[in-house]
Amino acid sequence: AQSVSQHNHHVILSEAASLELGCNYSYGGTVNLFWYVQYPGQHLQLLLKYFSGDPLVKGIKGFEAEFIKSKFSFNLRKPSVQWSDTAEYFCAVNGGTSGTYKYIFGTGTRLKVLA
Amino acid sequence: DTGVSQDPRHKITKRGQNVTFRCDPISEHNRLYWYRQTLGQGPEFLTYFQNEAQLEKSRLLSDRFSAERPKGSFSTLEIQRTEQGDSAMYLCASSTERVAGAFFGQGTRLTVV
Repeated sequence: AQSVSQHNHHVILSEAASLELGCNYSYGGTVNLFWYVQYPGQHLQLLLKYFSGDPLVKGIKGFEAEFIKSKFSFNLRKPSVQWSDTAEYFCAVNGGTSGTYKYIFGTGTRLKVLA
Repeated sequence: DTGVSQDPRHKITKRGQNVTFRCDPISEHNRLYWYRQTLGQGPEFLTYFQNEAQLEKSRLLSDRFSAERPKGSFSTLEIQRTEQGDSAMYLCASSTERVAGAFFGQGTRLTVV
């Protein structure tokens, strides 16, 4: 079955630390990959996306993600986190061999940044 | 605000009652999705529409759940004979192309007592 795995459920960092959140998917075929962020009390917002081209994609607020096809991974990174990055982060995938439009989400990683 | 709008934001209902939620997508978006999210989990796919056609429905979705998008604009999600296990946040999202990403509303939080 198609699935998305986020191995880090909770991450606590100090401000200015570097961030890397893991995301692995089990899909055949060509996939489209997304990271969403949910700040406390707010709705899910699209952070960045990959569908073709340069496997290193840049999103809003200094985030970037790298698609590594051989590892079925799409890890999210930020060189220096801020207190305002405290949020829950979700990886999502669509496409694959079935060409589905539905988005399959991981279970999320809750990030807390200490000031 | 031209984002995805959901109504109501909160709903408390007694077990066994029927509830209906509404979603107004971004106006030019032809695809509309319903998801359910519980604490500590990611959004779980329920169903999806392209215009007025319901193209995919989760096999996990009970027959008590039904969704419509009669004119290809707003959508409703109805849950009949609610159970305590239906308590969750119900999310609506809309999109255009598959590669574009989906845009989510604030959600409707359902509590079944």
